[in-house]
Amino acid sequence: GAVVSQHPSRVICKSGTSVKIECRSLDFQATTMFWYRQFPKQSLMLMATSNEGSKATYEQGVEKDKFLINHASLTLSTLTVTSAHPEDSSFYICSASIRTSGGLRNEQFFGPGTRLTVL
Amino acid sequence: KQEVTQIPAALSVPEGENLVLNCSFTDSAIYNLQWFRQDPGKGLTSLLLIQSSQREQTSGRLNASLDKSSGRSTLYIAASQPGDSATYLCAVVQGGSEKLVFGKGTKLTVNP
Repeated sequence: GAVVSQHPSRVICKSGTSVKIECRSLDFQATTMFWYRQFPKQSLMLMATSNEGSKATYEQGVEKDKFLINHASLTLSTLTVTSAHPEDSSFYICSASIRTSGGLRNEQFFGPGTRLTVL
Repeated sequence: KQEVTQIPAALSVPEGENLVLNCSFTDSAIYNLQWFRQDPGKGLTSLLLIQSSQREQTSGRLNASLDKSSGRSTLYIAASQPGDSATYLCAVVQGGSEKLVFGKGTKLTVNP
């Protein structure tokens, strides 16, 4: 159980285009989904937190107009990189959080990641 | 601001050796701590989660301990195997938050 999928796994696009990445919780309803980016040999940096039906909360320094997040249901969140530039090339990973009764566990399960290359 | 540090950054051991990976965090007011494994170009696999009220968790050859007051956690891997080669990440959730703060990881290589 607790499987999270991402699509696509790899995308190459031209500078100036927009790219949409999907994150799905396959066998559970996620109270919250998170989007991270990871540069080579670096750790994961949280970009934004999204709750179903409400606006995402972005971390300091992350442009909300550039990284559009939509969380339409308890099993799907999307990240759209708008007007992509080469510096947006990175590994993007989503996670989904399960909160058990009483809020005790609050564990995040991660998707396999999406490698974005902007030419 | 919470900071998570992992030492060493890289570790190479022969197969069969027992090893310890270290993680420290600056703010002890955490909700829980997770250890993850990441293979090259892949996402994260959760290995162990320790709630702030717990001292340790075990899963197979893995044992994670937590000393919240001193801001430290260790991941013990027994009888290491080449298949254990990966980057191991430690992350904490701050109390009152759902956000994970990650360390930079320890890259483990187990040589046959």
